Amino acid sequence: KAGVTQTPRYLIKTRGQQVTLSCSPISGHRSVSWYQQTPGQGLQFLFEYFSETQRNKGNFPGRFSGRQFSNSRSEMNVSTLELGDSALYLCASSLEQAVYGYTFGSGTRLTVV
Amino acid sequence: GENVEQHPSTLSVQEGDSAVIKCTYSDSASNYFPWYKQELGKRPQLIIDIRSNVGEKKDQRIAVTLNKTAKHFSLHITETQPEDSAVYFCAARNAVVQAAGNKLTFGGGTRVLVKP
Repeated sequence: KAGVTQTPRYLIKTRGQQVTLSCSPISGHRSVSWYQQTPGQGLQFLFEYFSETQRNKGNFPGRFSGRQFSNSRSEMNVSTLELGDSALYLCASSLEQAVYGYTFGSGTRLTVV
Repeated sequence: GENVEQHPSTLSVQEGDSAVIKCTYSDSASNYFPWYKQELGKRPQLIIDIRSNVGEKKDQRIAVTLNKTAKHFSLHITETQPEDSAVYFCAARNAVVQAAGNKLTFGGGTRVLVKP
């Protein structure tokens, strides 16, 4: 069974640009959550999607957005990139609502220069 | 919202010794507490979890204890081995209220170094 797949693995962007990251959950998993991981802030929750609807949102500015498609694949977008957006972006999937435990993807390492 | 604090931030132990990591949480409605291990350059992986109707859970050399009254839970690793070296994260979640969704609140992480 394939795990959670995130693409691309690495990305270098310039300040002011925008970026789109992709996450394909484990087959059958309908909930996808996104986290930002930085050395200083740890794992910070961005948002969660379930059945194409955003169910939860963390305390990030509106430049961070996401969506989920009917096949449960999810994308997150960051517009007007800032240097502080450099981080590892992790997505995690789980089977359905209120299910215990995530499976994380390997993440996308975003560097903003 | 939920706040999870994790201590210590770094932990160095001799191979064969035990390691203990402690977390406290703020939301008394939280009822699910997973622990994740993240090796350098890899994804976080779930290693053990506990639900609030259980006080202790063991899986080979790792165990987790939960004190709901004090709102803290701990990870215990016995007979540590070099491959236990990693960053460990605790987390908390209200797994009953549907509106809470699948959001986990993570502690800040503990870097564990096991010296051979």
